[in-house]
Amino acid sequence: DAGITQSPRHKVTETGTPVTLRCHQTENHRYMYWYRQDPGHGLRLIHYSYGVKDTDKGEVSDGYSVSRSKTEDFLLTLESATSSQTSVYFCAITPASEGHEQFFGPGTRLTVL
Amino acid sequence: SQKIEQNSEALNIQEGKTATLTCNYTNYSPAYLQWYRQDPGRGPVFLLLIRENEKEKRKERLKVTFDTTLKQSLFHITASQPADSATYLCALGGNDYKLSFGAGTTVTVRA
Repeated sequence: DAGITQSPRHKVTETGTPVTLRCHQTENHRYMYWYRQDPGHGLRLIHYSYGVKDTDKGEVSDGYSVSRSKTEDFLLTLESATSSQTSVYFCAITPASEGHEQFFGPGTRLTVL
Repeated sequence: SQKIEQNSEALNIQEGKTATLTCNYTNYSPAYLQWYRQDPGRGPVFLLLIRENEKEKRKERLKVTFDTTLKQSLFHITASQPADSATYLCALGGNDYKLSFGAGTTVTVRA
């Protein structure tokens, strides 16, 4: 258990509303990631962070923004949710050891109606 | 663009047999390759890492090979058990701390 929690775990929202997902870690790791997972696509990187206030885009960043004001929290915001953003969202961290292995949170299932 | 393919979506095998999963990639020169296990409703869990200069890695009943010429990794589960039933993901990475994942192969081990 890498001490990663995600909230909420489940959310149903309406198209056009903003949504914020939270990832919280207890281990003080520098690198944090947001992925989405959809059938047939596997995990796709949305955004990642390499330190407080240091973030960068992944391969599917359109429609998403992130913020990291504290080491332990990484927020993912859907500025105006669309049905195509219905997915399972995973947060991950890496201890940035030589192996670069990632540790994942339990996921958030988001449904946009 | 980069492409990672895991050869089949589902693999059904008898308990005690060896499961072999394939991960192929194109337009990529990874520094390392990782394998993860994912159970339904859970996040992926790291299993093994193999670096570009390594040919084979073992961990208990798991074996991974990495052929950078063929651009392929094979993942073997020997003496498979029903508890090995899960989805297995391969992931490729470089020195930028980012990973690219395949879509996964779901393994079902029949008792």
